Amino acid sequence: TQLLEQSPQFLSIQEGENLTVYCNSSSVFSSLQWYRQEPGEGPVLLVTVVTGGEVKKLKRLTFQFGDARKDSSLHITAAQPGDTGLYLCAGADRGSTLGRLYFGRGTQLTVWP
Amino acid sequence: GAVVSQHPSWVICKSGTSVKIECRSLDFQATTMFWYRQFPKQSLMLMATSNEGSKATYEQGVEKDKFLINHASLTLSTLTVTSAHPEDSSFYICSATDRGRSTGELFFGEGSRLTVL
Repeated sequence: TQLLEQSPQFLSIQEGENLTVYCNSSSVFSSLQWYRQEPGEGPVLLVTVVTGGEVKKLKRLTFQFGDARKDSSLHITAAQPGDTGLYLCAGADRGSTLGRLYFGRGTQLTVWP
Repeated sequence: GAVVSQHPSWVICKSGTSVKIECRSLDFQATTMFWYRQFPKQSLMLMATSNEGSKATYEQGVEKDKFLINHASLTLSTLTVTSAHPEDSSFYICSATDRGRSTGELFFGEGSRLTVL
């Protein structure tokens, strides 16, 4: 069962443009994590959001956790070719094994120079 | 800190042979390790959850006799793909939670690319 709906699945933009990736669910998560993965490598953690309404910034990346802790968004400002990769959101369910995450489908981002 | 290492990074084998992939937490003790399978440009599919010293818990649809998981210590888990066939070719990734942290953050290995001829 796919608990997290991530959109869009593919995104191809020019350098300098802004973009937003969405992660939605009908379930409440105790925390939500965003990862970035490059081909042939494991995912790398970008951020963990825990509190409803929380906003975290990582340079040009802004992450928001919905007030009800059911959804999250990732906004990238002035995208660069180095931002290209697969972005994954993953939610933790308080009732599940610690570390068991429910992953979204992923968003494949390509930024053209 | 919190480094997870997988070995081998890539492996090519003949159909019918078995392949073992190791997942090690280098600088922390892993409470739990997770094994995933990933197809190109797709998300991670959880295969199984393993805890040190106990049997792995497999996700629905994953054959436990085909994908043997051993978690003999707090720093090592292994995945053995038995009698591999071309359809088992995939990118296998492990992750681990740090026993010393309560947030449940996952630390991923670099992945292992398996190609079965």
